Amino acid sequence: EAEVAQSPRYKITEKSQAVAFWCDPISGHATLYWYRQILGQGPELLVQFQDESVVDDSQLPKDRFSAERLKGVDSTLKIQPAELGDSAMYLCASRADQDNEQFFGPGTRLTVL
Amino acid sequence: AQSVTQLDSHVSVSEGTPVLLRCNYSSSYSPSLFWYVQHPNKGLQLLLKYTSAATLVKGINGFEAEFKKSETSFHLTKPSAHMSDAAEYFCVVRPFDRGSTLGRLYFGRGTQLTVWP
Repeated sequence: EAEVAQSPRYKITEKSQAVAFWCDPISGHATLYWYRQILGQGPELLVQFQDESVVDDSQLPKDRFSAERLKGVDSTLKIQPAELGDSAMYLCASRADQDNEQFFGPGTRLTVL
Repeated sequence: AQSVTQLDSHVSVSEGTPVLLRCNYSSSYSPSLFWYVQHPNKGLQLLLKYTSAATLVKGINGFEAEFKKSETSFHLTKPSAHMSDAAEYFCVVRPFDRGSTLGRLYFGRGTQLTVWP
């Protein structure tokens, strides 16, 4: 069964350092999402791509966060510089079209020291 | 504005007894509603979804949910809990937005289900 892949699964970094997360959606899925899930809360959307274009980044802290999906397939989410409050699970999801469910990857757990 | 309220942060049941996880929502006309489950170290998995068809929705692993528009509720139930049901459950709303393809999801804070032997 096709799955959304994410790496790394765990990342520990010090504040002010740069970190990057990678996501490979299910093949053929045009829509890709990045979510942040703070401990004890539900996921919140950071950014949504349709193919290679950003269609919603209203909740992305653009002073330190960036995301790209250059060829409309896999995607990278970057944080620079990381802050203590960025410690969270970062989830990637993909969807084939607007009537289908979002399929989630296992996430990257980030700890900022 | 849209929001999701999961009324219980933790629910504990004994194996074999019924499960009830409560969810209320606030959204625009005709939202889609979902329940997702998250097991430790695994991705979120869709349990079931309501998209304006039958109000009683059956999902995987024996779970079901009933959409009650008058109460703005979408509670998740299961007649008999199993040990493997222990996980975090999220109620999710996707607002109706004619002409939009965004499909943005709004998650509740989650309910941790514990199942005792």
